[in-house]
This record gives sequence, structure tokens and C-alpha cells, in this order.
Amino acid sequence: DVKVTQSSRYLVKRTGEKVFLECVQDMDHENMFWYRQDPGLGLRLIYFSYDVKMKEKGDIPEGYSVSREKKERFSLILESASTNQTSMYLCASRNRGPLTGELFFGEGSRLTVL
Amino acid sequence: AQKITQTQPGMFVQEKEAVTLDCTYDTSDPSYGLFWYKQPSSGEMIFLIYQGSYDQQNATEGRYSLNFQKARKSANLVISASQLGDSAMYFCAMRETLAAGGGADGLTFGKGTHLIIQP
Repeated sequence: DVKVTQSSRYLVKRTGEKVFLECVQDMDHENMFWYRQDPGLGLRLIYFSYDVKMKEKGDIPEGYSVSREKKERFSLILESASTNQTSMYLCASRNRGPLTGELFFGEGSRLTVL
Repeated sequence: AQKITQTQPGMFVQEKEAVTLDCTYDTSDPSYGLFWYKQPSSGEMIFLIYQGSYDQQNATEGRYSLNFQKARKSANLVISASQLGDSAMYFCAMRETLAAGGGADGLTFGKGTHLIIQP
């Protein structure tokens, strides 16, 4: 069974802290994504990666960075967390190529910044 | 730029009734794909159904069907015989090319519809 695993379901951090959100997939997918979900705004793309060490900005990259040192792992980094980054973060992956291929999602990480 | 519009922030439906969740899209690409996802209160995103722009027939998956009207740029999700377990957020999404040369295709999502099934 395919699986995308996010390291933490719930995190509480203080303003200014550095936050790491980890995502691992076991499907050998080339493409990985980080989305942010807020009520009334749907899912918005933060960053994506289409290969190891490759990363591209999505629609809302400000305040975030990412790392992809291995194919199966894609990390989202908040260098200095702020209260407006309190949100649900969703990691996803898919294979390159098939146009019909859906995204596979992790269970989400709910981050609260105090 | 691509865009997905879901005009129903919330819906209340009686159990066993059919439900239609609206989705309109905007794209200039001749080739595109449309997806529907379900998100229960537990948070996981569950893929429901896919429709390709060149598919001649409307997609169906069990109780889910997609009413695809290409000229109107709409891709409404129909749930037949609703059940209490259908209560969830529902997201319509469209495939988009994020990197040139086929490097990455991702999804652009609508804002979602919160469906509540009442007994």
C-alpha cells in the first residue's frame, strides 16, 4: 500500500523558532509537494520538487524553505516561525508522467505558532 | 493562470439523498485533468475520481460520478444515496504544469465545500 508519512501530526512552537516538517514517501515518486491548508482558502502550494536536490517555489513560498537530499524525503523548513504560519501543512507526492496520476497525501501536520 | 471555483462553502443534505457539489474551472490548456478529493475530519486527503479533458464519457467510481460539461467548464461531483460517512470537506482540483519539459505536474485546488449529511 502506498504511503506518505509526515513526521508530526501536531506541533506547537514559539515565534522565532526554527521548525522542521519532515515527509517521507515509499513509492519512489519523483515529484513531491508541500501545501498549506487554511479554512476558506483551500490548499495552496508552498514548494515542490521534481528530483533530488531540485526545488521550485509554488504560490506562497515566503517564509519557507525546503530540502530534498534523498528521493524519498522532502522537508519543509520555517526559518523563524511566525503566528501567521499557524496552519495545516500537507505533503504529497506523485509519479512523473502519467497525466491521470493523482497526488498521494500524508495525514497532515497541524502547526500552532504561539 | 488556472483557477478552480467552488461556490458552495457549506451544504446540509438529508441522508440517502443525492448530492451535487459544484466546480467550475478556467484554463487555456487544451489538455487538462480534473480531480475530486474528500477530506474527513481526521485530515487525510482521499482521492475520489478523475476526469480527463479528452475523455468522452463522464467518470464514475461507485457512488461517485462526475458531471463533466466541457463547454461550460464545469466538473460537478455527484454523490448518489448519501451516507453519514460522506460528511467531509470536498475539494475540486485541476492538474497544472509546474515545471517546463514535463518536470512536474501538480494540482491547483478550489477552496472546498463542507458537506454535512444529516440523519
